[in-house]
Amino acid sequence: AQKVTQAQTEISVVEKEDVTLDCVYETRDTTYYLFWYKQPPSGELVFLIRRNSFDEQNEISGRYSWNFQKSTSSFNFTITASQVVDSAVYFCALSEARAAGNKLTFGGGTRVLVKP
Amino acid sequence: GEEVAQTPKHLVRGEGQKAKLYCAPIKGHSYVFWYQQVLKNEFKFLISFQNENVFDETGMPKERFSAKCLPNSPCSLEIQATKLEDSAVYFCASSRTGGLSNQPQHFGDGTRLSIL
Repeated sequence: AQKVTQAQTEISVVEKEDVTLDCVYETRDTTYYLFWYKQPPSGELVFLIRRNSFDEQNEISGRYSWNFQKSTSSFNFTITASQVVDSAVYFCALSEARAAGNKLTFGGGTRVLVKP
Repeated sequence: GEEVAQTPKHLVRGEGQKAKLYCAPIKGHSYVFWYQQVLKNEFKFLISFQNENVFDETGMPKERFSAKCLPNSPCSLEIQATKLEDSAVYFCASSRTGGLSNQPQHFGDGTRLSIL
């Protein structure tokens, strides 16, 4: 069965600090996809990134970067120079390619609070 | 449309009443998913559709929950004889494809269901 663990329930930082969110996953499938979503206080879910299991190249998008390490089953997310607008709950999610309908399994989320 | 549209935003029902939620997926997306978010963070997969066909209903409490996606109509999730524990935010998501290509799921803003 697939499982996603986000061990950090809440992280508090001061603006301009970097923050790294951990995500560890479990799956028996060799083909799978990993995602990060942002849920701001307003409640909607915003898609940030998708990564497939064959692509371990790290990715940077503006102040966001992702580190995918298959050897440790981790897909960590770093926000560089955090801003107050980054305050949100961030969810890591996994989808197995062979699973019917490709449902997402979410981690428990990490609440990030960025103080001015 | 360009966004997943969920209605209503907030629904209040007395225990034992029926609740019906609606979702219009992004135009051109073949897959629709329903998730339940309780306690603010925990997501539970309910059901997925490929067009109007049920793809995966392993998460559905079948006694009281039902869902449909009919041609030319919004998808719907219906809960009969609601219970206090059904209070949650229900998210609908859609994606262009599934399977090995596994496009990201785009989420609606959710419907907050409050059972009194």
